[in-house]
Amino acid sequence: DVKVTQSSRYLVKRTGEKVFLECVQDMDHENMFWYRQDPGLGLRLIYFSYDVKMKEKGDIPEGYSVSREKKERFSLILESASTNQTSMYLCASNTGQGATSGASLGELFFGEGSRLTVL
Amino acid sequence: QQQVKQSPQSLIVQKGGISIINCAYENTAFDYFPWYQQFPGKGPALLIAIRPDVSEKKEGRFTISFNKSAKQFSLHIMDSQPGDSATYFCAASMNRDDKIIFGKGTRLHILP
Repeated sequence: DVKVTQSSRYLVKRTGEKVFLECVQDMDHENMFWYRQDPGLGLRLIYFSYDVKMKEKGDIPEGYSVSREKKERFSLILESASTNQTSMYLCASNTGQGATSGASLGELFFGEGSRLTVL
Repeated sequence: QQQVKQSPQSLIVQKGGISIINCAYENTAFDYFPWYQQFPGKGPALLIAIRPDVSEKKEGRFTISFNKSAKQFSLHIMDSQPGDSATYFCAASMNRDDKIIFGKGTRLHILP
């Protein structure tokens, strides 16, 4: 089974702190994504990556950065956390367009989420 | 053009009833329409998906109906059960683009 693991389920940070959210997938997926989930707003894409050291902005990249040094690992960084970044953060991965794995093209595999509270 | 609009925001259905969630899109380049199911404390997981070359896809009690001309698609849950209580997200993507755009979600509660 595909597994996407987010290192921290719950975090409490103070305004201005630097926050790292780590995500690891074990299916050799090319693509990795970070979403944030807020009530009534659904899943909004922050950043995504098609390959190692590549990154692209999603719909709400402001206040965030990402790092993908290895294929299996995708990190979300909040350089200076603010209270409006209190949210549930979800990491996901899927196969690239040219891949031949058994998963349905486009099927996203999500981690269980990291709930971040910024005080 | 990238938006996927989902309704209703919340839905309460009696056990055994039919749950219906609707989605609409604008971008005619979308060619893959999945539905994700999310239980509390878990990440979303793919439930069922459809491509626009068919008008309906059924998997067990779950059916997607797709209307290409109206740019609408819907999820029907037949014989709804309390275990179906979850948040459901419709989504869309383009084959040339791995990015998936989600609706805002529907919180479904099935009364026992």
